[in-house]
Amino acid sequence: AQKITQTQPGMFVQEKEAVTLDCTYDTSDPSYGLFWYKQPSSGEMIFLIYQGSYDQQNATEGRYSLNFQKARKSANLVISASQLGDSAMYFCAMREGDGGSEKLVFGKGTKLTVNP
Amino acid sequence: GAGVSQTPSNKVTEKGKYVELRCDPISGHTALYWYRQSLGQGPEFLIYFQGTGAADDSGLPNDRFFAVRPEGSVSTLKIQRTERGDSAMYLCASSLQRGSPLHFGNGTRLTVT
Repeated sequence: AQKITQTQPGMFVQEKEAVTLDCTYDTSDPSYGLFWYKQPSSGEMIFLIYQGSYDQQNATEGRYSLNFQKARKSANLVISASQLGDSAMYFCAMREGDGGSEKLVFGKGTKLTVNP
Repeated sequence: GAGVSQTPSNKVTEKGKYVELRCDPISGHTALYWYRQSLGQGPEFLIYFQGTGAADDSGLPNDRFFAVRPEGSVSTLKIQRTERGDSAMYLCASSLQRGSPLHFGNGTRLTVT
């Protein structure tokens, strides 16, 4: 089974509007972390935001917020006030466990296009 | 300081040849990771180092792939007898400590002809 599922291959949003990128995950481990990364056409993976499974509040970082719904196993990324520079691939990723491997498992990504 | 540095940025090699890809992590970062990203896919885990030792190499696809980090800083990913299916972007990342976010380099684009 897919550990991370991103069902939107592509999304379009108007500049200055908000957009939500979907991510669902699958794990039986009670301790895990969820990450979102941005990958512009240049190729570099840029860390955006992190949510721990035990965190009581949804994570926020500037214009990025994570809508964490634990019971639904979803961790959607919300980008407010979209900018042209937000056009990129966005990847959701999960790290399982506290004492095990530090590896991240990534989804297939969503390509976001911000239109002027 | 500088971010994660990967060299070369592009590598073209012939099928059957040996290649080495280098990663220079952020200074002071003890954890180092290698990922492989094929076109249209998310990165796939290859190997994770904590210090000099490979803490998890479960993602290496076969014994043609090997990685080292002899002094706990720079790492080299080595691929023997390259195959066309090895063509991909190879990403290196480092993190300050366990649980910290990963910081990625710009990757090495490997093309096997």
